[in-house]
Amino acid sequence: GENVEQHPSTLSVQEGDSAVIKCTYSDSASNYFPWYKQELGKRPQLIIDIRSNVGEKKDQRIAVTLNKTAKHFSLHITETQPEDSAVYFCAASIKNAGNMLTFGGGTRLMVKP
Amino acid sequence: DAGVIQSPRHEVTEMGQEVTLRCKPISGHNSLFWYRQTMMRGLELLIYFNNNVPIDDSGMPEDRFSAKMPNASFSTLKIQPSEPRDSAVYFCASSLSPPLNEQFFGPGTRLTVL
Repeated sequence: GENVEQHPSTLSVQEGDSAVIKCTYSDSASNYFPWYKQELGKRPQLIIDIRSNVGEKKDQRIAVTLNKTAKHFSLHITETQPEDSAVYFCAASIKNAGNMLTFGGGTRLMVKP
Repeated sequence: DAGVIQSPRHEVTEMGQEVTLRCKPISGHNSLFWYRQTMMRGLELLIYFNNNVPIDDSGMPEDRFSAKMPNASFSTLKIQPSEPRDSAVYFCASSLSPPLNEQFFGPGTRLTVL
């Protein structure tokens, strides 16, 4: 089955700096890659996603890049703010496997004011 | 729409007792997922239903766990008998069929087994 590795497990940045979280996946049949943000005590919520026919997608301060050849994708947050502090999860979904997602282990991002 | 609804939000029980967690997916969604989240193991998929039919239950840890989806608007996850190591947050999520893949999570049930 699919295996998703996520790095780093914790990341501390100064407010205003950029943050980058990286994930690798094992199954070349994966075609959908969402990123979820989970604030303390809350549910995971989708913040951005990318499909395998696109190399990059941007939404205001967040962007995701995908390298299908290398089987890795990354989340980029620019101009970080304290409210960006949360746990971020990447995930991958295999075509023809319905909507099943395999999640990475999560990255705890701390933005210091 | 109220989103995915889960009950109870918190459950404290003693080892050996039966626990039933409930989920109401978003109306019109035909895929439903049960996840377990712990610090040690992260977010694990337990079981996935599509059109009320269990498609993949390979994540169900053992026979003490069972899940049902009797209709499109209701699902249960049952643990019997419960053990302290079952303590976790259990999330239910729902989605439409592909290619609309976004999963919407419920607020979760925090289970503590003493």
